Amino acid sequence: KTQVEQSPQSLVVRQGENCVLQCNYSVTPDNHLRWFKQDTGKGLVSLTVLVDQKDKTSNGRYSATLDKDAKHSTLHITATLLDDTATYICVVGDRGSALGRLHFGAGTQLIVIP
Amino acid sequence: DMKVTQMPRYLIKRMGENVLLECGQDMSHETMYWYRQDPGLGLQLIYISYDVDSNSEGDIPKGYRVSRKKREHFSLILDSAKTNQTSVYFCASSSRSGERLFFGHGTKLSVL
Repeated sequence: KTQVEQSPQSLVVRQGENCVLQCNYSVTPDNHLRWFKQDTGKGLVSLTVLVDQKDKTSNGRYSATLDKDAKHSTLHITATLLDDTATYICVVGDRGSALGRLHFGAGTQLIVIP
Repeated sequence: DMKVTQMPRYLIKRMGENVLLECGQDMSHETMYWYRQDPGLGLQLIYISYDVDSNSEGDIPKGYRVSRKKREHFSLILDSAKTNQTSVYFCASSSRSGERLFFGHGTKLSVL
């Protein structure tokens, strides 16, 4: 059973618009949550890590929230650029060390059009 | 320079042939991983290595084996490749705390 669900599966926005990507999970324990960006044909690049029970992070035009009570995270992208076209992957870690397991969502494919 | 390098980037093999995928990292990370990524699915863990000659099965180890003789290198071996092993394979490395996690660019393997 999939433990990390991402929505929407795909999303098309116009350059300059904002967008919100959702991640719901059932992983227990949920030590931390990461958002990755994956350009087509490339590896995953970490955007942000959320750790606290109710956490918020900001990294330039990317901001993220985590609510461990609801087991829910959002990734906000502000003023999208064409280069934001990619797949965004939510990953939940069950421990705070490399001994833990990472649980990957299938990703949201974002397409930014002119 | 903090990177994970995978070789080759693309590979085409016939069913039954042996396959060697190689991964290197320059961060002296103890932990390294092999994952596969298939359309519509999240990355699935094949094997994890905690250090030289300290390897553990992941969630889908069947049909694969690994070798880690040096901390900076981690190899994935398919003995007698099958068509259902067509996939994109990612290597990753992590610091012991898990805080720093880096992925390679992936190897796209096609088994015909």
